[in-house]
Amino acid sequence: AQTVTQSQPEMSVQEAETVTLSCTYDTSESDYYLFWYKQPPSRQMILVIRQEAYKQQNATENRFSVNFQKAAKSFSLKISDSQLGDAAMYFCAYRSYFITQGGSEKLVFGKGTKLTVNP
Amino acid sequence: EPEVTQTPSHQVTQMGQEVILRCVPISNHLYFYWYRQILGQKVEFLVSFYNNEISEKSEIFDDQFSVERPDGSNFTLKIRSTKLEDSAMYFCASSEALQGAEAFFGQGTRLTVV
Repeated sequence: AQTVTQSQPEMSVQEAETVTLSCTYDTSESDYYLFWYKQPPSRQMILVIRQEAYKQQNATENRFSVNFQKAAKSFSLKISDSQLGDAAMYFCAYRSYFITQGGSEKLVFGKGTKLTVNP
Repeated sequence: EPEVTQTPSHQVTQMGQEVILRCVPISNHLYFYWYRQILGQKVEFLVSFYNNEISEKSEIFDDQFSVERPDGSNFTLKIRSTKLEDSAMYFCASSEALQGAEAFFGQGTRLTVV
């Protein structure tokens, strides 16, 4: 079974600074997806960024980028130029790629990291 | 922008009572999910649903739980006899396809069992 670990329960960053949230995972599958979801106080789960494991290039979405290290099973999220609106819980998640070949379609989540942005 | 809608946002129920949590997935989506998040813990998968049947379920999804798509728009989660430990946030999600598609989440229903 796959597991996702987020070792930082809480992080804080100054507005306009950069912060990196850590995530490690364990799987025996060779192809999979990794995601970062944001959960603001409104509690809605919002997809921030996703990475396909077969792609070597790290995904980027505006101020959000990932450092995907497949061999190390590490998937960190970097937020540049942090804004007050970035304050939220951030969840790392895993999903199998080959769902039609016996992989699971479910998302496996980490416990989350609470990010505080200080003005 | 299309979104997944869940009702109610908060429900309080007595232990032993039945509750139905409702979700309206995005209209052209075919795959539907329920997840649960107990306060302070991780989000956990409950069940996935496609073509009017359960495609995958977790160990949590025991006989007290059931899902249904009673019409073309709603997707419901029923908990038959609630327990204190069922208190949690319940998230509905939907996706357009199975392979590679993003799952869009609703805003959640907070269930409190007293």
